[in-house]
Amino acid sequence: DSGVTQTPKHLITATGQRVTLRCSPRSGDLSVYWYQQSLDQGLQFLIQYYNGEERAKGNILERFSAQQFPDLHSELNLSSLELGDSALYFCASSVDKGGSDTQYFGPGTRLTVL
Amino acid sequence: AQSVTQLGSHVSVSEGALVLLRCNYSSSVPPYLFWYVQYPNQGLQLLLKYTSAATLVKGINGFEAEFKKSETSFHLTKPSAHMSDAAEYFCAVTSGGYQKVTFGTGTKLQVIP
Repeated sequence: DSGVTQTPKHLITATGQRVTLRCSPRSGDLSVYWYQQSLDQGLQFLIQYYNGEERAKGNILERFSAQQFPDLHSELNLSSLELGDSALYFCASSVDKGGSDTQYFGPGTRLTVL
Repeated sequence: AQSVTQLGSHVSVSEGALVLLRCNYSSSVPPYLFWYVQYPNQGLQLLLKYTSAATLVKGINGFEAEFKKSETSFHLTKPSAHMSDAAEYFCAVTSGGYQKVTFGTGTKLQVIP
């Protein structure tokens, strides 16, 4: 158990819909990272927040957005869902801003778009 | 820019045999390098990391990796494979500071009894 929690574990929805994925980092960790893992694209970094502020952006679509709240939990919002958005979404956390920090991964949310 | 290449998307070894998973990196500055393992239906877990101290890094579960600057490599090894080592392994690189971590495409390790 990494100490990172993600809800829900599974999510099934339809094209065009909007969903919210939630992540609670390990106690004391200030950075939260979001990743998308799919068979065709592998593990893709989406976005990082550090202590409530956006720190780094990766291959995140405009239809996707995220935020980190004062209690440091984070939410990833996915809207106008397409079939290709079906994937595993991981959240990870680390103590500091990144670099050589170890990232601790949650168990993931499996999103299926029908 | 930074990148990492994992040679071989699938590797099969017999139980008790040497495990060698290859990773080559590209970075314009001295890198930090990681190996993560992912078991089925789970998140990634850190095996080991190189942060410019000793070039031979020992990790959990008997794995180790050697940083070779001249070869830009960070291959993962384990002397004797165990059935429980069957998983997907990811090599990752960052140039430190506030730079994001770039993951490789992963290598699935199969251990044959």
